Amino acid sequence: NAGVTQTPKFQVLKTGQSMTLQCAQDMNHNSMYWYRQDPGMGLRLIYYSASEGTTDKGEVPNGYNVSRLNKREFSLRLESAAPSQTSVYFCASSTLPGTSGSSYEQYFGPGTRLTVT
Amino acid sequence: GDSVTQMEGPVTLSEEAFLTINCTYTATGYPSLFWYVQYPGEGLQLLLKATKADDKGSNKGFEATYRKETTSFHLEKGSVQVSDSAVYFCALITGAGGTSYGKLTFGQGTILTVHP
Repeated sequence: NAGVTQTPKFQVLKTGQSMTLQCAQDMNHNSMYWYRQDPGMGLRLIYYSASEGTTDKGEVPNGYNVSRLNKREFSLRLESAAPSQTSVYFCASSTLPGTSGSSYEQYFGPGTRLTVT
Repeated sequence: GDSVTQMEGPVTLSEEAFLTINCTYTATGYPSLFWYVQYPGEGLQLLLKATKADDKGSNKGFEATYRKETTSFHLEKGSVQVSDSAVYFCALITGAGGTSYGKLTFGQGTILTVHP
């Protein structure tokens, strides 16, 4: 049981390049999330997917797109990277909030450290 | 909207000292409250949680009590160890009726360093 896995662990991009961050979970969770972590600002929600087939914007969605490929996988794409997107990106998953037995606990992956020059 | 405010860090303590990290919140609806911990180079792990007023969450010697009257969820540990050095995040999630239903709102994090 690997939990939440993310690839790659590190990435350096030049301004204007594109890339996709991959995330997968093996806990049969319905909901998945992408966050970015910046110094002094905690974690901020970029996009989330409450269930397979749905995605919604979070607090800071500009410059990003997401795809919920199936129940296990949720990818984050940067179409044209900018230095302001230098950050550590975390994927998380949880049971569907509000469902019977849901503890609302989110499980996090190890993160992707992205630098845009 | 929902928000979480943590005490400013960093916090530096000697081993076996008492730890308090303050956390207050504003939220619509009836939030569940969490403390997450992030060890160097790792993702976040749930440390403890409380889902209703007056609940006490506890784990690994850490405790926090959900105080609805003061909208607080302060983290405490009686005797810290070097291995507790990490970043601690207070967070909330609102249930049905809240404006941020289903989504975690985090505080800015507090860096704790414990010296031998």
